[in-house]
Amino acid sequence: GESVGLHLPTLSVQEGDNSIINCAYSNSASDYFIWYKQESGKGPQFIIDIRSNMDKRQGQRVTVLLNKTVKHLSLQIAATQPGDSAVYFCAERGSSNTGKLIFGQGTTLQVKP
Amino acid sequence: SQTIHQWPATLVQPVGSPLSLECTVEGTSNPNLYWYRQAAGRGLQLLFYSVGIGQISSEVPQNLSASRPQDRQFILSSKKLLLSDSGFYLCALDRAHFATNEKLFFGSGTQLSVL
Repeated sequence: GESVGLHLPTLSVQEGDNSIINCAYSNSASDYFIWYKQESGKGPQFIIDIRSNMDKRQGQRVTVLLNKTVKHLSLQIAATQPGDSAVYFCAERGSSNTGKLIFGQGTTLQVKP
Repeated sequence: SQTIHQWPATLVQPVGSPLSLECTVEGTSNPNLYWYRQAAGRGLQLLFYSVGIGQISSEVPQNLSASRPQDRQFILSSKKLLLSDSGFYLCALDRAHFATNEKLFFGSGTQLSVL
């Protein structure tokens, strides 16, 4: 069945370094992917999304890369800051427009000052 | 802009007691609304979604039910809570127009502990 998973449960980086959070998905028909950031006790916050007809999309300090060949999604955070410490979730939508988002288990990003 | 109101923020309930969590939205009309549950340290699991008043789709069989009595109101209920119902409950809506399950916007959640 469909599944979205993250390679590492916890990522620890030094403040100012770049962070890369990875995500693997299994449904080659997924047409939409999204990254969320969740701080403790709060609801997930939208970071960036990407459609399957793209392989890269950039936002403010964040970049999402999509490699459909190996079904891999990554989130890159430039110049990581302490405020970036949170759990990051990737999610995929399994079919065009009517499918539901399937969330991965999440990666905890810890930023060391 | 859309806002989601969820209450209460935390709730402690005994096993076997009823549950009613309310979600109301502002700043949009005819939204698609969703209830998700998040177990501690886990991802989000879709419980219910609604595309309109009185229209509820259940994603997983469970001890919970949902209702949408008004366009901007989505309610999660249970007649008798189980220990396994504990979790962080999140209401969400689609932020993208003319699309479903894009840019889901989440409320602040309710932390439910069943003891």
